[in-house]
Amino acid sequence: DGGITQSPKYLFRKEGQNVTLSCEQNLNHDAMYWYRQDPGQGLRLIYYSQIVNDFQKGDIAEGYSVSREKKESFPLTVTSAQKNPTAFYLCASRPGQNNSPLHFGNGTRLTVT
Amino acid sequence: SQQGEEDPQALSIQEGENATMNCSYKTSINNLQWYRQNSGRGLVHLILIRSNEREKHSGRLRVTLDTSKKSSSLLITASRAADTASYFCATDARGSSNTGKLIFGQGTTLQVKP
Repeated sequence: DGGITQSPKYLFRKEGQNVTLSCEQNLNHDAMYWYRQDPGQGLRLIYYSQIVNDFQKGDIAEGYSVSREKKESFPLTVTSAQKNPTAFYLCASRPGQNNSPLHFGNGTRLTVT
Repeated sequence: SQQGEEDPQALSIQEGENATMNCSYKTSINNLQWYRQNSGRGLVHLILIRSNEREKHSGRLRVTLDTSKKSSSLLITASRAADTASYFCATDARGSSNTGKLIFGQGTTLQVKP
């Protein structure tokens, strides 16, 4: 089955700790994206990567970091510098072609206390 | 922010009725997409309409696009309880289609009562 896997589904951390969210896809997609969703809100773009070893900041990159060492993997680190890290994090991917829709994972709900 | 606006924010209807959701956006676009999200899950792509199209159908879904008003609507006909979900519109700004960056609206939460 092809798809995007995000793990873990729920994650709890203490304030001041860095935490890394996993995103793996076996769709052979070139581009990958991280979005943040707050309750009752739409999605906001954190980082995206169109090709291996390259990535760009989205609209709310402060306090986050990413890497793209492999085509299949795009992990997101939420650092202690992120002021309000508690949120639902969604990873997505798409083929390289223009106008192709995004394929989403099922998200990781991060709670920082 | 370039986020779109969706209305209504919440919609509750009886099974069998039609549901209409509206989306407005701010910039010129290449295409507009609609996604569905079940509670606590990822988004699923429903339909894409290009800027040179005015209407598109897929099963019980009908999407319209009015680029002069920068607005779109999603109609779900003969709704079912399983249609209960949040629905989001997403646009790619003209000139950004090669990045795949989408700007999402805040969504409409639809409840279909059996």
